[in-house]
Amino acid sequence: EAGVAQSPRYKIIEKRQSVAFWCNPISGHATLYWYQQILGQGPKLLIQFQNNGVVDDSQLPKDRFSAERLKGVDSTLKIQPAKLEDSAVYLCASSSTGASAEAFFGQGTRLTVV
Amino acid sequence: AQTVTQSQPEMSVQEAETVTLSCTYDTSESDYYLFWYKQPPSRQMILVIRQEAYKQQNATENRFSVNFQKAAKSFSLKISDSQLGDAAMYFCAVERGGADGLTFGKGTHLIIQP
Repeated sequence: EAGVAQSPRYKIIEKRQSVAFWCNPISGHATLYWYQQILGQGPKLLIQFQNNGVVDDSQLPKDRFSAERLKGVDSTLKIQPAKLEDSAVYLCASSSTGASAEAFFGQGTRLTVV
Repeated sequence: AQTVTQSQPEMSVQEAETVTLSCTYDTSESDYYLFWYKQPPSRQMILVIRQEAYKQQNATENRFSVNFQKAAKSFSLKISDSQLGDAAMYFCAVERGGADGLTFGKGTHLIIQP
């Protein structure tokens, strides 16, 4: 079974530029998550999709962050414009439907904003 | 809101010995799930063990077991016969019942001494 795929693995941009991350979840997984992991901290949930609908985006900084999941499969997370404090690892995860269903994580994208 | 506290930033143990990682949490939910995830340098989060809060019996997975004290809101992870491959960051997490996203602690860096 193929895992959660993310790209790129690394990205360096200047502040005020824009950046996009891509995630391909495990086939058949209806739920997709984006997490932000700042160095030295645990991951923080940014947004959760169920198929192509948003379930929870309460911690997404909507003035600069946006995410979409077209056709309920792949997802993109965009930051525009980026700030220095956005430097972090962005993790995508997916799970099947159901309480306590195991979330499978990708290897993340490490973003450095300079 | 849910919170997770891991009070040990770093732990060190000799290979083949036993180590316990601490975790306390707070939630107002009656239906929730608890998890321990491992994050090696590759950054991919890997599920180690999970516990349903409504179950009194402590979960076990081979060399990994938990001590779940619901009244104290404590969820510690015990690793027996530590191996070099166990070296990683370990994150405790809680999920509200209903397939919501995870709330993570700040993690514990586990070092295995050969």
